[in-house]
Amino acid sequence: SQTIHQWPATLVQPVGSPLSLECTVEGTSNPNLYWYRQAAGRGLQLLFYSVGIGQISSEVPQNLSASRPQDRQFILSSKKLLLSDSGFYLCAWSEQPGTEAFFGQGTRLTVV
Amino acid sequence: GESVGLHLPTLSVQEGDNSIINCAYSNSASDYFIWYKQESGKGPQFIIDIRSNMDKRQGQRVTVLLNKTVKHLSLQIAATQPGDSAVYFCAESVAGRDDKIIFGKGTRLHILP
Repeated sequence: SQTIHQWPATLVQPVGSPLSLECTVEGTSNPNLYWYRQAAGRGLQLLFYSVGIGQISSEVPQNLSASRPQDRQFILSSKKLLLSDSGFYLCAWSEQPGTEAFFGQGTRLTVV
Repeated sequence: GESVGLHLPTLSVQEGDNSIINCAYSNSASDYFIWYKQESGKGPQFIIDIRSNMDKRQGQRVTVLLNKTVKHLSLQIAATQPGDSAVYFCAESVAGRDDKIIFGKGTRLHILP
C-alpha cells in the first residue's frame, strides 16, 4: 500500500533562517506531488505541484521554493524565512490527474 | 475557487440529525470533485469523490450531490455522530489538464450533544 511521510511534525525557526521540509511517498511510482499551506482556521492554499522529476509548477509568488530531486521526494525550501511563512504545511500525492490526493500529517511551522 | 484567507464558517448540528455542507466551485471546466475531512492538527482525509458525468454518489453515511448548472456541490452526512466533528473541504480539479487540485474554503462541523 502507498504511504506518505512528511517531517518534521513541528518546527520553530527564527526569522531569516533557512527552511527545508521533506516529503516522501512509498508504494507508487511517478506520483503527482503537492505542497499546500494552511493558516490557522483557514483553507488550503496550493503552493507548488509537480508531475515529474525536476518539474515544478508554482501557484503563488512567495518566499518559498520546491524541488523534486527524486521520483517520490518533494522538498519545500526557503533561503530566509519571514514571519508570514508561519503555518501548517501539507504534502500530498495523487496517482494521476483526476484522482484524489492523499495527505501527509503536516508540519506546523512557527517563525519567531 | 480558493478562499484561503477567510475564516471558516461553522455548521452546528444535533447529534443524530443529518448534516448538509455546501460548496460553490468557480471553474466551469472542473470535472472531478472531492470532499475531505480534516480533524484538528491532522492532514485532510478523503471522504468521497464524484465526476462531472454524475450528479449523485453515495458512500457509507455520506452522499455527494453535484449541480453543474449552478456550480454547486454538497455533502450530506446521515445520522451525524460526535466523530464527525471536523472541518470539511471540497476540492476541484480538471482531470487530464494541469493536474492541480484546488480547495474550497471549508466548513467547520460542530456536533451538539
